[in-house]
Amino acid sequence: KAGVTQTPRYLIKTRGQQVTLSCSPISGHRSVSWYQQTPGQGLQFLFEYFSETQRNKGNFPGRFSGRQFSNSRSEMNVSTLELGDSALYLCASSSKPGLTLETQYFGPGTRLLVL
Amino acid sequence: KQEVTQIPAALSVPEGENLVLNCSFTDSAIYNLQWFRQDPGKGLTSLLLIQSSQREQTSGRLNASLDKSSGRSTLYIAASQPGDSATYLCAFSNAGNMLTFGGGTRLMVKP
Repeated sequence: KAGVTQTPRYLIKTRGQQVTLSCSPISGHRSVSWYQQTPGQGLQFLFEYFSETQRNKGNFPGRFSGRQFSNSRSEMNVSTLELGDSALYLCASSSKPGLTLETQYFGPGTRLLVL
Repeated sequence: KQEVTQIPAALSVPEGENLVLNCSFTDSAIYNLQWFRQDPGKGLTSLLLIQSSQREQTSGRLNASLDKSSGRSTLYIAASQPGDSATYLCAFSNAGNMLTFGGGTRLMVKP
């Protein structure tokens, strides 16, 4: 079974631009979560989607948004990029939302550099 | 708000040594605990998951324990190998699939 895939793997943008990252979960998984990882703040939860609905949202500004499609693929968008948005963005999938007794499976991440 | 602390932040040991990584948390209302491994520039690989009703889990040379009363979890690695070199992260779930991560312990196992 194929793992979680994220595209693109690397991205360079300039301040003020916007970016869209994509995540395809493991086949059959319907819950997708996004995390931001930076050297200073570590791993921080962005949001979780299940059945095209956002279920949880972390403490990030409104410039960070996401969506999920009917095939469970998810995208996250960051508008008006700032230097501090440079990070590794990780996507994780699991088969169900809510109280989970199973692990989440992470993709390899998209490394975003904002210049 | 859940806060998760991992000590030490970095650790260097000779090959073959047994070692313990520590993780402490402030909110005992957790649903489960997971230990992950992250290689440089890569995603996370799940190592062990402990449900809140359990006290420990084992996989090969790895053993993870959970003590909710003291707010602590430990990851024990037996007979460490150079291939174990990576960053180890603990994470707690107390609401949905939202994981709260510790800062990680960067482990180097020297041949």
